[in-house]
Amino acid sequence: ILNVEQSPQSLHVQEGDSTNFTCSFPSSNFYALHWYRWETAKSPEALFVMTLNGDEKKKGRISATLNTKEGYSYLYIKGSQPEDSATYLCASSGGYQKVTFGTGTKLQVIP
Amino acid sequence: GAGVSQSPSNKVTEKGKDVELRCDPISGHTALYWYRQSLGQGLEFLIYFQGNSAPDKSGLPSDRFSAERTGGSVSTLTIQRTQQEDSAVYLCASSLGWGRTTDTQYFGPGTRLTVL
Repeated sequence: ILNVEQSPQSLHVQEGDSTNFTCSFPSSNFYALHWYRWETAKSPEALFVMTLNGDEKKKGRISATLNTKEGYSYLYIKGSQPEDSATYLCASSGGYQKVTFGTGTKLQVIP
Repeated sequence: GAGVSQSPSNKVTEKGKDVELRCDPISGHTALYWYRQSLGQGLEFLIYFQGNSAPDKSGLPSDRFSAERTGGSVSTLTIQRTQQEDSAVYLCASSLGWGRTTDTQYFGPGTRLTVL
């Protein structure tokens, strides 16, 4: 059973600040790491999927890195905006097990 | 193309009644997941279907919960003798594959269940 953990559980940042949060996952039998954004009253939507150690993906002001050897991924948001307020979920898949989600980091950007 | 659809979008029921929630995954997706989000909580895994394999029911909170997936497509989540703690948003997601895959999960809009 994969155990995916995210930290912090929640954070508040001022508009314009940059921030980052962490997803940790078992490094054995790892195959892929996904990041999703989940806005209030909407469904989760995919941001990135990464598979290789050292992978880095970027979409606008949001980027993510992956370390498969130590089992962690960072999500970075540069110059946070109020519209970035959401819960950010990571999910790990490995071997022939189901994809497992972490509990998420809830971000609130204060104007 | 069409995304994942769920029905009903909202369901209000009385304690003790049975409810059925429906999920239509994206055509061709072999993996189907049910999750729920209770008020103030994160995403809670319930059950997972992959093709014709036996489903992974490890997340079902009690034997009042069951799910079927007919013909490898549409899925129904049934909650018997509903309790107030069953009130939540129930989300369905599907993906092309499972396990050793980079396939993204595509989520439906959810069913908001309220048990009075």
